[in-house]
Amino acid sequence: AQSVTQPDIHITVSEGASLELRCNYSYGATPYLFWYVQSPGQGLQLLLKYFSGDTLVQGIKGFEAEFKRSQSSFNLRKPSVHWSDAAEYFCAVGAQGSQGNLIFGKGTKLSVKP
Amino acid sequence: DAMVIQNPRYQVTQFGKPVTLSCSQTLNHNVMYWYQQKSSQAPKLLFHYYDKDFNNEADTPDNFQSRRPNTSFCFLDIRSPGLGDAAMYLCATSRDKQETQYFGPGTRLLVL
Repeated sequence: AQSVTQPDIHITVSEGASLELRCNYSYGATPYLFWYVQSPGQGLQLLLKYFSGDTLVQGIKGFEAEFKRSQSSFNLRKPSVHWSDAAEYFCAVGAQGSQGNLIFGKGTKLSVKP
Repeated sequence: DAMVIQNPRYQVTQFGKPVTLSCSQTLNHNVMYWYQQKSSQAPKLLFHYYDKDFNNEADTPDNFQSRRPNTSFCFLDIRSPGLGDAAMYLCATSRDKQETQYFGPGTRLLVL
């Protein structure tokens, strides 16, 4: 069955520290991958996406993610976290050739300490 | 500039009283999606329209219906809301299938 796993429900980091949010997927077809961020009471904002090509993708707000097919992972990273990055982060996977439906992970809530 | 607009942002309804949520887009995208997101959970796809073709997810309750009168607008109708239908409802659009989905700000539904 198709699934997306974000193993960390809640992460707290200090402002200025580096960040890595984990995402693993199980998908039979060639995936395309997204990271979205959601602030409280808001919709989802696209951070970055991977469809093909270079496996290291750059996104908005200084985020990047690396697709590793051998590990079925698409981890999100940021070298220096800002207090405004506190939010919930969702990894999502779609299958090429599908109807376009996305499967979302359960999300990782990021808290930032001053 | 707002690209995917949802109205209202907050909706309070009574148990069993029909309610309609609205989504509009200025992107001229072919596909429009409706997701339900309950507290501290991932968004769950209810259905989507590819142009005028309606695609219902297998586990979407019959209580949920949708209409897309034109390219720009899509509505979510909940015929008889129950307490369990209280959630954030997210609308998204994409130019075509398998392309990036852009989300609106959501409508938070409260059922009394």
